[in-house]
Amino acid sequence: DAEITQSPRHKITETGRQVTLACHQTWNHNNMFWYRQDLGHGLRLIHYSYGVQDTNKGEVSDGYSVSRSNTEDLPLTLESAASSQTSVYFCASGQAGDRLDEQFFGPGTRLTVL
Amino acid sequence: QKEVEQNSGPLSVPEGAIASLNCTYSDRVSQSFFWYRQYSGKSPELIMSIYSNGDKEDGRFTAQLNKASQYVSLLIRDSQPSDSATYLCAVTAYGNNRLAFGKGNQVVVIP
Repeated sequence: DAEITQSPRHKITETGRQVTLACHQTWNHNNMFWYRQDLGHGLRLIHYSYGVQDTNKGEVSDGYSVSRSNTEDLPLTLESAASSQTSVYFCASGQAGDRLDEQFFGPGTRLTVL
Repeated sequence: QKEVEQNSGPLSVPEGAIASLNCTYSDRVSQSFFWYRQYSGKSPELIMSIYSNGDKEDGRFTAQLNKASQYVSLLIRDSQPSDSATYLCAVTAYGNNRLAFGKGNQVVVIP
């Protein structure tokens, strides 16, 4: 069955370290997204991609980067982790089309920055 | 910037009753509307999609859309304890596949 996976599921790191969160989908979706979820803020879009070599900034992109070298993967990198980036991170994928726009979420990564 | 508003505060309903959740959005060009269910500690799960004005039913769930009033709702009939979760409303403009989420409504079904 097609799925979307994230790794690691839990991560503890220190301030200033570079961290990469992996996202892999086997849906063959063109579109992939990274969100963070925090109490009081709900889900907020970090970065997104509409296809290979395409990346775009979302509403909370500062301090994060992504790259898309193939259809299946969209890794999220925190260049220099900050305590404010402690959060739960969700990757999602979807296939745009006529009135589709549905997105399907991975299981999430809980990141703690000490 | 789209804005999606959901009622604040948890909703407690007795088992077997109807739970009603509401969502308003500010972007008049929004074309696609979704309800996600999120259990504590889990990821959001898509439960309903609606694109046209009116009602859409799927099992015990009914989504209602009124684009003129910029309003979308979710009804859960015959509520079960397994429906206890947070429900997220999401909207997107046509074709761009980007979602804006409300902050969610917690539903607690009391046996």
